[in-house]
Amino acid sequence: ETGVTQSPTHLIKTRGQQVTLRCSSQSGHNTVSWYQQALGQGPQFIFQYYREEENGRGNFPPRFSGLQFPNYSSELNVNALELDDSALYLCASSRDGEDGYTFGSGTRLTVV
Amino acid sequence: QQQVKQSPQSLIVQKGGISIINCAYENTAFDYFPWYQQFPGKGPALLIAIRPDVSEKKEGRFTISFNKSAKQFSLHIMDSQPGDSATYFCAASKASGTYKYIFGTGTRLKVLA
Repeated sequence: ETGVTQSPTHLIKTRGQQVTLRCSSQSGHNTVSWYQQALGQGPQFIFQYYREEENGRGNFPPRFSGLQFPNYSSELNVNALELDDSALYLCASSRDGEDGYTFGSGTRLTVV
Repeated sequence: QQQVKQSPQSLIVQKGGISIINCAYENTAFDYFPWYQQFPGKGPALLIAIRPDVSEKKEGRFTISFNKSAKQFSLHIMDSQPGDSATYFCAASKASGTYKYIFGTGTRLKVLA
């Protein structure tokens, strides 16, 4: 059973650019959540996808968007990058939104 | 009302000692309280979790104590080991179909050999 895998592991982008982060959920998991973790802080909920539909969103602007594919993998897209978007982006998956989400190791995004 | 307050921010414990991390919440609709362990460069890993219908849950050296009336819960690590040195996050969620987690700000634990 494979866990949650995220790509890329590290990324450097320039302010104003767009970025796409990818996540493969754990086998058998159909629910994916994305979190932003700033340095020294706890993860903050961005949004969640269940069976290809967004079913929950945190306090993030519309330039943060996502997709979930039929194989339940997911993408996080961020447009018009700002310096404050620099963070570790975490993907977590579960089966039917059940408790005990499994997290990936994250993508470290640096915006310069 | 959505916050989860975690303390202390950092903790140093001698090997073999007990590490205690505390969390408090406001929203009484929360009904699931997990603890996650995070090593540098890694994502959080689920350690142990509790629901409000029990006051204590133990798994190996890790114990969650839960006080529903005080809206507080804590993680106890018995016989702390250097390998336990990591950042610990408490979280809370409610069964709303979204299961979004509200995380605490984290506690950096260092266990001295």
